[in-house]
Amino acid sequence: DTAVSQTPKYLVTQMGNDKSIKCEQNLGHDTMYWYKQDSKKFLKIMFSYNNKELIINETVPNRFSPKSPDKAHLNLHINSLELGDSAVYFCASSQGAGGTEAFFGQGTRLTVV
Amino acid sequence: SQQGEEDPQALSIQEGENATMNCSYKTSINNLQWYRQNSGRGLVHLILIRSNEREKHSGRLRVTLDTSKKSSSLLITASRAADTASYFCDGGTSYGKLTFGQGTILTVHP
Repeated sequence: DTAVSQTPKYLVTQMGNDKSIKCEQNLGHDTMYWYKQDSKKFLKIMFSYNNKELIINETVPNRFSPKSPDKAHLNLHINSLELGDSAVYFCASSQGAGGTEAFFGQGTRLTVV
Repeated sequence: SQQGEEDPQALSIQEGENATMNCSYKTSINNLQWYRQNSGRGLVHLILIRSNEREKHSGRLRVTLDTSKKSSSLLITASRAADTASYFCDGGTSYGKLTFGQGTILTVHP
């Protein structure tokens, strides 16, 4: 069983479209994260949730809206996609909010054309 | 700003050699973690060292921590081609997030 799974793995879409990436963890963790990895390989935190409550929103445009229906899921919805949104997006989870071992999904490569 | 910053940016060695990469951080930490990322994959946790520890081993991995210099090193002994990956550190001090640098790209040639 995959611990942290995100779908889809690849997403190619046109500018201006709205898209969602889903993430689920079966580890019973209370904290989930979304990271963006750019072409230079920097991993930047976007959001984190602890027990379904938003705890980190790291100056992300409001076109990005995370939703956590329950502790096991953290989905990312992106409105009006722009070329600069092209990147690999990683979902992760951990028990405790920072400073503990995190488990990452396999990533979603988003390409906006 | 990155809490963990890795160097060198890239490291190329032959199989069997040891690989050493370093991490520097800015503020006091509770613990420090190292992660590996294979091409096209998510990060995988390697090892965690607590702020009151100076050295930790796990298999072929050896991690040291110098809190006075705010630095850590990861040593991979007897490297293998399968160790080829990017390596990231996180200084576990921030609530709600792990903060990484750009990583060290390690290439191990067979």
